[in-house]
Amino acid sequence: QKEVEQDPGPLSVPEGAIVSLNCTYSNSAFQYFMWYRQYSRKGPELLMYTYSSGNKEDGRFTAQVDKSSKYISLFIRDSQPSDSATYLCAIPRGGKLIFGQGTTLQVKP
Amino acid sequence: DTAVSQTPKYLVTQMGNDKSIKCEQNLGHDTMYWYKQDSKKFLKIMFSYNNKELIINETVPNRFSPKSPDKAHLNLHINSLELGDSAVYFCASSQDTGYGYTFGSGTRLTVV
Repeated sequence: QKEVEQDPGPLSVPEGAIVSLNCTYSNSAFQYFMWYRQYSRKGPELLMYTYSSGNKEDGRFTAQVDKSSKYISLFIRDSQPSDSATYLCAIPRGGKLIFGQGTTLQVKP
Repeated sequence: DTAVSQTPKYLVTQMGNDKSIKCEQNLGHDTMYWYKQDSKKFLKIMFSYNNKELIINETVPNRFSPKSPDKAHLNLHINSLELGDSAVYFCASSQDTGYGYTFGSGTRLTVV
């Protein structure tokens, strides 16, 4: 079993939709959870991070962690075409980041 | 601009050749990394250096040799390139290991 699993999609939604991106992880000891966004032909950039359980909101983006089910989510409200990118969940472990496979999102105008 | 910059952006080369990718960061970070992203977008760590010292060396063929002349630079040399080495290679840096990475734009390596 991979340490972090993510459905690669692709996911296509109309502009204005609410998007839900999800990852599962295997180790209940993980405490920090991150979301990176990667535009085409660019490097990943840190979007949000959360510590332990609960929600964190930043504008249209909400990161949620459910430690009981080892499930992390990123919600995007009022999605825009500029949100079209690959979203990667990541967990720090042993001095490195373990990434999910990434979900490719396309928001259509 | 403060950033992680890597060169070249694109590299097309024949099997068996030797090539190098260079990376520089001006963020003052202590730790630098090389990650490989395959055709399915899966990102996996290859190496990390902290203040010029190798701290992570994943199961990477020894044809890959990183070098860090100082904490702002991390280069990657690849000997005897193989078709399977085709991928995008990302350099990254962070102040603390495993947190708040800044990635470069990547080097797209194609081995023909």
